[in-house]
Amino acid sequence: IAGITQAPTSQILAAGRRMTLRCTQDMRHNAMYWYRQDLGLGLRLIHYSNTAGTTGKGEVPDGYSVSRANTDDFPLTLASAVPSQTSVYFCASSEVSGGSTDTQYFGPGTRLTVL
Amino acid sequence: GQNIDQPTEMTATEGAIVQINCTYQTSGFNGLFWYQQHAGEAPTFLSYNVLDGLEEKGRFSSFLSRSKGYSYLLLKELQMKDSASYLCAVMDSNYQLIWGAGTKLIIKP
Repeated sequence: IAGITQAPTSQILAAGRRMTLRCTQDMRHNAMYWYRQDLGLGLRLIHYSNTAGTTGKGEVPDGYSVSRANTDDFPLTLASAVPSQTSVYFCASSEVSGGSTDTQYFGPGTRLTVL
Repeated sequence: GQNIDQPTEMTATEGAIVQINCTYQTSGFNGLFWYQQHAGEAPTFLSYNVLDGLEEKGRFSSFLSRSKGYSYLLLKELQMKDSASYLCAVMDSNYQLIWGAGTKLIIKP
């Protein structure tokens, strides 16, 4: 089934621990994105990748890192989790980056709680 | 700074029509998107506008006025399943999406 998968679905994590959120798409999309969604706020871009091998910083990159070794996978790592990183994390992808009809498609999300 | 404004919450009656407004101030404009997000689920694409005017897609229509920095999403013949949050997003000059906080739409029978 074509689409985006994320793992885990939810996670409770102790502060200071390292955590990697996984994201895989099978639509052969060039661009991928990580957002966080917090109550009362719009989706905020953490990091993005326009194509395999390249990454860029979004609006709220501090405390997060990404890699894009291939087209399909775009993991997000929290090196040392803090409670302010408690959020719902969405991975998204789009066919191209820079196109005006660049519709983004979202994975189901990961609900992360840092205690 | 960049800003997207939309009402926090709206209530409407099943079978009626509702209009959800979105105003924006962004650095550049490369299109405006509307997404639907049911509680606990991912956002799903509804519509895209880049030129002024109305785009109709079934029960949903989206309007854009670039000169006014304004868009609306019109939902007709409301159904209970339309209860969701509706997210307005603008693609800026760097082709990144700037998102509003969303409008929670409550449909009453």
